Amino acid sequence: EAGVAQSPRYKIIEKRQSVAFWCNPISGHATLYWYQQILGQGPKLLIQFQNNGVVDDSQLPKDRFSAERLKGVDSTLKIQPAKLEDSAVYLCASSALGGYYGYTFGSGTRLTVV
Amino acid sequence: DQQVKQNSPSLSVQEGRISILNCDYTNSMFDYFLWYKKYPAEGPTFLISISSIKDKNEDGRFTVFLNKSAKHLSLHIVPSQPGDSAVYFCAATKTNDYKLSFGAGTTVTVRA
Repeated sequence: EAGVAQSPRYKIIEKRQSVAFWCNPISGHATLYWYQQILGQGPKLLIQFQNNGVVDDSQLPKDRFSAERLKGVDSTLKIQPAKLEDSAVYLCASSALGGYYGYTFGSGTRLTVV
Repeated sequence: DQQVKQNSPSLSVQEGRISILNCDYTNSMFDYFLWYKKYPAEGPTFLISISSIKDKNEDGRFTVFLNKSAKHLSLHIVPSQPGDSAVYFCAATKTNDYKLSFGAGTTVTVRA
């Protein structure tokens, strides 16, 4: 079974620029999550999708962050404009309905804002 | 507010000995707890979990203990092996919620 695919692996941008991250979940997984992991901290949930609908985006800074999951499969997370404090690893995860064991993370995208 | 806390940022243990990782939580609504292991440049991978209806769950060399009254859980690794050197995250959630709240992680180094 293929894992959760994320791209790019690394990205360096200047503050006030925009950036987008892509995630392709495990086939058949209905739920998709984006987490932000700042250095020295645990991952923090930004947004949760069920199929192509948003379940929870309460911790997403909506003035600069946006995410979509078209057709209930892959997803894109965008930051515009980026701030220095957005430097982090952005992790995508997916899970099947009703289970934790299939809750699988991708390798993440490391963003550095300079 | 940090609802899951791992107060030990690092742990060094000799190969073959026991590693004990601790985790505390503040939200009494949490009823499902997970441990993840993370190698550099990789995403976290699921290790072991426990429901609040249990106080112990064992899987090979890994055992998780839950003390609900103290809002505390621990992960025991016996015996520790060099491949266990990684960052370990404790996570908690409410059943059917699936949003994980993570601790800051503990870096385990297993010495030969």
